[in-house]
Amino acid sequence: AQKITQTQPGMFVQEKEAVTLDCTYDTSDPSYGLFWYKQPSSGEMIFLIYQGSYDQQNATEGRYSLNFQKARKSANLVISASQLGDSAMYFCAMREGGSQGNLIFGKGTKLSVKP
Amino acid sequence: EPEVTQTPSHQVTQMGQEVILRCVPISNHLYFYWYRQILGQKVEFLVSFYNNEISEKSEIFDDQFSVERPDGSNFTLKIRSTKLEDSAMYFCASRGPPKQFTQETQYFGPGTRLLVL
Repeated sequence: AQKITQTQPGMFVQEKEAVTLDCTYDTSDPSYGLFWYKQPSSGEMIFLIYQGSYDQQNATEGRYSLNFQKARKSANLVISASQLGDSAMYFCAMREGGSQGNLIFGKGTKLSVKP
Repeated sequence: EPEVTQTPSHQVTQMGQEVILRCVPISNHLYFYWYRQILGQKVEFLVSFYNNEISEKSEIFDDQFSVERPDGSNFTLKIRSTKLEDSAMYFCASRGPPKQFTQETQYFGPGTRLLVL
């Protein structure tokens, strides 16, 4: 079974609009962390946002926010006021409590921002 | 802002040759990782390293792979005898000690794109 599922292979959004990228996860560990990374066409992996399983509030970092629904095991990334530079692959990842911190990645969503 | 660096950015090698990929993690970080990403696919964990030893490794990390931290700054991944299927982007990542148990962000280097011919 997939531990991280990203069901949207590709998404389009109009510049300046908000977009939600979906991520669901599967773990029986009560302690875990969820991450989002951005991978532009140049290939590097850029950390965007982190949510811990015990965090009471949804994480926010500038235009990025994480809609954490623990009971549904979902951790959707919301990008507000999309910019052309947001066009990239976006990966959701999870670190389970029992591991040494290695991340399990989803297959990614390719976001294209239209002018 | 401190960052993870990797060299070389690109490497082309012949099948059966040895390659060494180099990484300089962020200086005060304690945990180090290698991941790979085959073109068009998701990122896959290879190995984690802490306190000068491997702490966890995946099924991909077989006897052909090894890691080393030869000095206080470099962290290397060696592939002894490369195969065509080793062609991928290899990412190094590092993280510091967690402030809380679950709080630990891994910062990735820019990657080394390896092509095995």
